[in-house]
Amino acid sequence: QKEVEQNSGPLSVPEGAIASLNCTYSDRGSQSFFWYRQYSGKSPELIMSIYSNGDKEDGRFTAQLNKASQYVSLLIRDSQPSDSATYLCAVKGDGGYQKVTFGTGTKLQVIP
Amino acid sequence: NAGVTQTPKFRILKIGQSMTLQCAQDMNHNYMYWYRQDPGMGLKLIYYSVGAGITDKGEVPNGYNVSRSTTEYFPLRLELAAPSQTSVYFCASNLGGASTDTQYFGPGTRLTVL
Repeated sequence: QKEVEQNSGPLSVPEGAIASLNCTYSDRGSQSFFWYRQYSGKSPELIMSIYSNGDKEDGRFTAQLNKASQYVSLLIRDSQPSDSATYLCAVKGDGGYQKVTFGTGTKLQVIP
Repeated sequence: NAGVTQTPKFRILKIGQSMTLQCAQDMNHNYMYWYRQDPGMGLKLIYYSVGAGITDKGEVPNGYNVSRSTTEYFPLRLELAAPSQTSVYFCASNLGGASTDTQYFGPGTRLTVL
């Protein structure tokens, strides 16, 4: 079982719609959860972080965490063509050097 | 602040050649990392460092070496390059000390081994 799993996509949504990206993780001791956006040929860029169960909103982005189900998601409201990118889910444990494990990413395509 | 910088941006190596990928950060971060990203894949940790003089292996360390003599610099050395090392290499850093602390990435080095 992969430590952090994401559907590779592509996920295609029309402009203005809600894009829903999902991620599951295997380590129940995980404490911190991050969503990175990566445009083609560029480095990952942090867009959201979440540390406790529930929802966290930042502009058009909402991160949702359910530790009991080991599930984290990212909602993008009013999707724009500029949101087209690969979204990486990252999970951090609580010990040692704070190892971060990345998923393989979900490619999002927003169709104008 | 320049953040995390990497050089070179692109490089083509022949099989068996060696090279050093440079990484520097000006944020006084304690933790630094080297990842590789193959096409369509996630980030795989090669090596990491928790401070000057302290390094350790990640998931895929074979064929690579690192050193960290100062807080700012964390070079990655490839010895005897192989086609399997064709990838995009990212350096990252974070302050460390809190689980909420996130990593900042450099722009990457695209390496091709022929």
